[in-house]
Amino acid sequence: GENVEQHPSTLSVQEGDSAVIKCTYSDSASNYFPWYKQELGKRPQLIIDIRSNVGEKKDQRIAVTLNKTAKHFSLHITETQPEDSAVYFCAASTPSGDYKLSFGAGTTVTVRA
Amino acid sequence: DTEVTQTPKHLVMGMTNKKSLKCEQHMGHRAMYWYKQKAKKPPELMFVYSYEKLSINESVPSRFSPECPNSSLLNLHLHALQPEDSALYLCASSLGQALNTEAFFGQGTRLTVV
Repeated sequence: GENVEQHPSTLSVQEGDSAVIKCTYSDSASNYFPWYKQELGKRPQLIIDIRSNVGEKKDQRIAVTLNKTAKHFSLHITETQPEDSAVYFCAASTPSGDYKLSFGAGTTVTVRA
Repeated sequence: DTEVTQTPKHLVMGMTNKKSLKCEQHMGHRAMYWYKQKAKKPPELMFVYSYEKLSINESVPSRFSPECPNSSLLNLHLHALQPEDSALYLCASSLGQALNTEAFFGQGTRLTVV
């Protein structure tokens, strides 16, 4: 089945700086890559997603890049704010895996004021 | 309405109890999911229902029994649980299992087994 690895596990940044989280996946058939943000005690919420026919997608301060050849995708947050502090999960979905979402282990992001 | 609603929010149950978790969505989604999440870990898939039929069971112990009474409702029946089953149980829904679209999560039920 699909295996998604996520790095780093923790990330501390100064407010206003950028944060980058990287994920790799194992199944070349994976074609959908969402990123979820989970604040303490709350539900995971989709912040951005990308499909395999696109190399980059941006939504205000958040961007995701996908390199299908290398089988990795990254989340970029610019101009970080304290409210960006949360756990971020990357995921991959594979047709051959019944479209199950395989999650990375998560990155705890702390934005220092 | 883009909400997935779960009840109860918190549940404490003994190892001999029988209880049920409920999940509801009115977005017309045809795929519904149960996930289990331990602290500081990613959600772990338990069951998937597609068009009200069970399509994936991730080898979950039989003390967890899912039910999908209709396209808007998903239940998880619990019986003879163990303390290690204590976790956050998340329900989610999406437009369709094979459509690779956003999964909307409920707030979860925090379950404690004593």
